[in-house]
Amino acid sequence: AQSVSQHNHHVILSEAASLELGCNYSYGGTVNLFWYVQYPGQHLQLLLKYFSGDPLVKGIKGFEAEFIKSKFSFNLRKPSVQWSDTAEYFCAVNEGGTGNQFYFGTGTSLTVIP
Amino acid sequence: DTGVSQDPRHKITKRGQNVTFRCDPISEHNRLYWYRQTLGQGPEFLTYFQNEAQLEKSRLLSDRFSAERPKGSFSTLEIQRTEQGDSAMYLCASSLFTGGNSPLHFGNGTRLTVT
Repeated sequence: AQSVSQHNHHVILSEAASLELGCNYSYGGTVNLFWYVQYPGQHLQLLLKYFSGDPLVKGIKGFEAEFIKSKFSFNLRKPSVQWSDTAEYFCAVNEGGTGNQFYFGTGTSLTVIP
Repeated sequence: DTGVSQDPRHKITKRGQNVTFRCDPISEHNRLYWYRQTLGQGPEFLTYFQNEAQLEKSRLLSDRFSAERPKGSFSTLEIQRTEQGDSAMYLCASSLFTGGNSPLHFGNGTRLTVT
């Protein structure tokens, strides 16, 4: 089974600071990669996804992520965070082709201070 | 896209009782997933369906848990003889599977509290 590691459990930033959240996975084959966000009191929403092609993917709300195959990583970035980015962020992976189970990391709680 | 709908939003039950949750996926989605999430953890896979067929079930899932999707549309998750350790948020998600790269769309979840 896959494992997904998110190393930052809780991140606190001031508005306008840059953000990078780490995500590493264990599967050595073809993967599909996702970042989901959960705003307080809301359901999980897709931020961005990577299936193939350009390893730098752009998502909603100014977020982007870079797939580095050699490092089994898919880190999430945003150049300048806003207070409204305060949320829980989850990295998820599934095996390319079959796309069956989705494996999630434990999440990173981001607090942005105005 | 009316979204994934889950019912009820909250359920409080006494230990030993049975509970059933319902999930209505996005109408054209052929895959439906159940996950469980506890505080400080990411969603944990329970089971998933493609149309009405249950294709995979977590090995960690107790026999007290059962899920159905009888007509390939809505699904139910039943927990029999609930235990306090079953207290969690139960999430349903759906996707339109066309070859492996379809993201999940989540509902708001059902929060179960077992007293």
